[in-house]
Amino acid sequence: QVHLVESGGGVVQPGRSLRLSCAASGFTFSSYGMHWVRQAPGKGLEWVSLISYDGSDKYYADSVRGRFTISRDNSKNTVYLQMNSLRAEDTAVYYCAKVLWANSGTTPDYWGQGTLVTVSS
Amino acid sequence: DIQMTQSPSTLSASVEDRVTITCRASQSISSWLAWYQQRPGKAPKLLIYKASILESGVPSRFSGSGSGTEFTLTISSLQPDDIATYYCQQYNSYPYTFGQGTKLEIK
Repeated sequence: QVHLVESGGGVVQPGRSLRLSCAASGFTFSSYGMHWVRQAPGKGLEWVSLISYDGSDKYYADSVRGRFTISRDNSKNTVYLQMNSLRAEDTAVYYCAKVLWANSGTTPDYWGQGTLVTVSS
Repeated sequence: DIQMTQSPSTLSASVEDRVTITCRASQSISSWLAWYQQRPGKAPKLLIYKASILESGVPSRFSGSGSGTEFTLTISSLQPDDIATYYCQQYNSYPYTFGQGTKLEIK
């Protein structure tokens, strides 16, 4: 049974940094790419980033490119999102999700329950 | 970037009604489209991928169709449990993009 648990959210001042983690279990983590998707309060879903199964390929939304960095540690079954130079508009629930097909960059299937990041002074 | 536009933004229907939601892409995405259901306070749930393939465990009253730039999600007989917001997402090219969502309400 796939299980994804995000952590690391909280309240942070504009311009500061935060690192999110997503611990995975129930599947062969090292065979699946992983997404981060966010949702601002009362708003729709926004895709943020994808990392390939082996970490060799990374993709970002225009809104976060150059500020956010996705990474993974396959020995710990964990994917990370390092968020720098945070802005008020980064306030959202951040979800991690696994890709549908192994060794691919397909759409997410299973999602975690999310972690809330609030950027405010 | 590929823009995804859903219509309508809000839909009110009665139980057992047939419901259709449309998603249009700003350029061709072949069949690389997924549909998600999100209930309030919950994570999204994958319903359909590759435009028309039903995810395992999803009720057969849900179906998807389309290719290129125009896609539809159909619920053949609306049930109270279907109250949620529905999103389409293209995964043809990066950055992946979502539609703005369709909120489904019961009359």
